[in-house]
Amino acid sequence: DVKVTQSSRYLVKRTGEKVFLECVQDMDHENMFWYRQDPGLGLRLIYFSYDVKMKEKGDIPEGYSVSREKKERFSLILESASTNQTSMYLCASSFTSARLVDTQYFGPGTRLTVL
Amino acid sequence: AQSVTQLDSHVSVSEGTPVLLRCNYSSSYSPSLFWYVQHPNKGLQLLLKYTSAATLVKGINGFEAEFKKSETSFHLTKPSAHMSDAAEYFCVVSDRNSGYALNFGKGTSLLVTP
Repeated sequence: DVKVTQSSRYLVKRTGEKVFLECVQDMDHENMFWYRQDPGLGLRLIYFSYDVKMKEKGDIPEGYSVSREKKERFSLILESASTNQTSMYLCASSFTSARLVDTQYFGPGTRLTVL
Repeated sequence: AQSVTQLDSHVSVSEGTPVLLRCNYSSSYSPSLFWYVQHPNKGLQLLLKYTSAATLVKGINGFEAEFKKSETSFHLTKPSAHMSDAAEYFCVVSDRNSGYALNFGKGTSLLVTP
């Protein structure tokens, strides 16, 4: 069965803290993604990676960075957390197919609150 | 540039009646289109996807969607709603110009009443 796991379901941090969100997939997928989900805004892409050590900016990369040292793991880093980064963070992964666009499989999400 | 518009932010239906969730898209290339569902406190799950094969796509749990290029629409339907269908639904578009990324609509919240 397809599995994407995220390190925490709920996280509370203070303004200015460095925050790490971890995502692991066990499907040998090449592509991994980080989104944030906010009410009324849907999902917005922060960063994605199509290979180990490769990364591409999404629509809203400001204030975030990512790391992909191993194929199965993709980390989202908030260098200095701010209250406007309070959100639900979703990780996803997918294969690379001939059409480039394939089904993305999502983790359960991490609800981050920054105080 | 590609984009997707979900025409209703909230839809309410009675159990046993049809469901229609509307989605319009814009894309410069032949798009791939998806519907995802998110139940409360659960992750996103793929309902169905269109990738230029048959224009009527059948998904899980009795849902289906029809790709209409002339209307740039990809509406989601189900003949008879069940209480367990209450959830948030997202229409998603992607095309080869966007590479690997998906472009999500803002979501439609489906309420099913007894």
